[in-house]
Amino acid sequence: GENVEQHPSTLSVQEGDSAVIKCTYSDSASNYFPWYKQELGKGPQLIIDIRSNVGEKKDQRIAVTLNKTAKHFSLHITETQPEDSAVYFCAASKGGSYIPTFGRGTSLIVHP
Amino acid sequence: EAGVTQSPTHLIKTRGQQATLRCSPISGHTSVYWYQQALGLGLQFLLWYDEGEERNRGNFPPRFSGRQFPNYSSELNVNALELEDSALYLCASSFGAFSGANVLTFGAGSRLTVL
Repeated sequence: GENVEQHPSTLSVQEGDSAVIKCTYSDSASNYFPWYKQELGKGPQLIIDIRSNVGEKKDQRIAVTLNKTAKHFSLHITETQPEDSAVYFCAASKGGSYIPTFGRGTSLIVHP
Repeated sequence: EAGVTQSPTHLIKTRGQQATLRCSPISGHTSVYWYQQALGLGLQFLLWYDEGEERNRGNFPPRFSGRQFPNYSSELNVNALELEDSALYLCASSFGAFSGANVLTFGAGSRLTVL
């Protein structure tokens, strides 16, 4: 089955810096890659996603890049703010009857 | 539009007891997924229901079971509770299994504590 590796497990940055979280996947048939943000005491919330026919997608301060050849994708957060502090999960999915596989999560801490 | 709702928010049980957790999906969603999130760990897939049927099951013992009702709501049952079952149980919903990529929307979770 699919295997998703996520790094780093913890990321500490100063407010205003950029943060990058990387994920790799094993199944070349995966075609949908969402990113979720989980704040303390809440469920994961979808913040951005990308499909395999697109190499990059941006939404304000967050962007996701996908390299299908290398089977890795990354989340980029620019101009980080304290409210960006949360656990971020990547996932890979190929739709249909296959369930999404999640990475183990990255705890992002933004120091004011 | 109401999101995915889960109940109860918190549940405290003792070893050997049974726990039942409930989930109502977003209107129009027919798939419900259950995940276990133990402290410090990621999202471990438990069960997936679609159109009332179990579509997939994660690597959990049979004492973890569930069902999906005709209105697409779902419940997760955990029998013979063990201390290591203490975790946040997350429910997610999506459109049907064969509607395309599984875009999951999560609820806030039910925190189960086993003493």
